[in-house]
Amino acid sequence: KQEVTQIPAALSVPEGENLVLNCSFTDSAIYNLQWFRQDPGKGLTSLLLIQSSQREQTSGRLNASLDKSSGRSTLYIAASQPGDSATYLCAVRGGSEKLVFGKGTKLTVNP
Amino acid sequence: DADVTQTPRNRITKTGKRIMLECSQTKGHDRMYWYRQDPGLGLQLIYYSFDVKDINKGEISDGYSVSRQAQAKFSLSLESAIPNQTALYFCATSDSGAPAYNEQFFGPGTRLTVL
Repeated sequence: KQEVTQIPAALSVPEGENLVLNCSFTDSAIYNLQWFRQDPGKGLTSLLLIQSSQREQTSGRLNASLDKSSGRSTLYIAASQPGDSATYLCAVRGGSEKLVFGKGTKLTVNP
Repeated sequence: DADVTQTPRNRITKTGKRIMLECSQTKGHDRMYWYRQDPGLGLQLIYYSFDVKDINKGEISDGYSVSRQAQAKFSLSLESAIPNQTALYFCATSDSGAPAYNEQFFGPGTRLTVL
């Protein structure tokens, strides 16, 4: 059974800092991996999707990498801003077509 | 207008009542999903549908049923609500064709409280 772990559960950084969020998964036979952002009480916003054949994807200040063989992905946020404060969720999709989610990392960026 | 909408956004009901949560999408996606989110447990898949005639159980389907009325509409029913079904419910959609590769897009959620 696929399990997805995100460490740390919470992270607090000063504005302007570059930071990395980690995601690990137990079964490397994945189809793709998706990073989401969730604001309190709100829905999930898709940030980046990486196919299993890709190593990374970039969108603005965000860069996501994927190392399928080691079961790891990272989300790099450059020059963090208070508006980046949210919970970041990682989810992997295997052959069953279902997304398996981690429990998220709660990020706080302090002005 | 939002691409994936859910109604109602908030609902308080009593134990034993039947309720329906509705999801509509204008993205033209073929696949739709229902998830629930509980604090500390993350998101869990309840049901998913690959098209109008293809509906599948997820991890936690007991106590729930679904109906795919059209490609754009997917509803979730709680036949007899119980307090441990209190949660945040999300609908999601995806396009199975390239290059979307099933990237999932979520609605704003329905906060359900069962007293």
